[in-house]
Amino acid sequence: AQKITQTQPGMFVQEKEAVTLDCTYDTSDPSYGLFWYKQPSSGEMIFLIYQGSYDQQNATEGRYSLNFQKARKSANLVISASQLGDSAMYFCAMRDTNFNKFYFGSGTKLNVKP
Amino acid sequence: DSGVTQTPKHLITATGQRVTLRCSPRSGDLSVYWYQQSLDQGLQFLIQYYNGEERAKGNILERFSAQQFPDLHSELNLSSLELGDSALYFCASSVGLAGFEQFFGPGTRLTVL
Repeated sequence: AQKITQTQPGMFVQEKEAVTLDCTYDTSDPSYGLFWYKQPSSGEMIFLIYQGSYDQQNATEGRYSLNFQKARKSANLVISASQLGDSAMYFCAMRDTNFNKFYFGSGTKLNVKP
Repeated sequence: DSGVTQTPKHLITATGQRVTLRCSPRSGDLSVYWYQQSLDQGLQFLIQYYNGEERAKGNILERFSAQQFPDLHSELNLSSLELGDSALYFCASSVGLAGFEQFFGPGTRLTVL
């Protein structure tokens, strides 16, 4: 069963606008962690943000915020005030309980238009 | 620059061969993770080591093995290589066991001909 689903293969956003990248996950574990990574065309993977399943508040890191809706099992990434440098692949990931395996989504390719 | 180094950057080899990929984590990081990224399989977690011990295992084939040495660098050994093993192999490191924030190396591009 697919653990992480990213339903948007590609998205466009206008520079300076906000964009939401969708991510849904599947787990029966009560304890898990959710992550977002950015992969620019240069290939490196860059950690963006982390949300724990027991965290009461949505995680934020600068222009990145994670819209965590536990009942819906969704962990959408919101990028505010998009910049041209935000154009990249974005991966949602989950780590299950006891810090076991990591699961990655198929990614969303974001293009920021000037 | 994440502080994680991987060698070599590129590797071209033939089917049936064996290769070793090397990773040096950021200074102070005790956990090392290996990932495989291919077009058809996407990004797959292979294995995690923490302070020299294997701590988590993902979709790692039996033909693949890894270890973490006392100086915390890690090696991923791939043997009996097949065409489908062609991929980008990432190493990442983190301070702790949970891997809340991982720093990725630039990757090793493996091409099996």
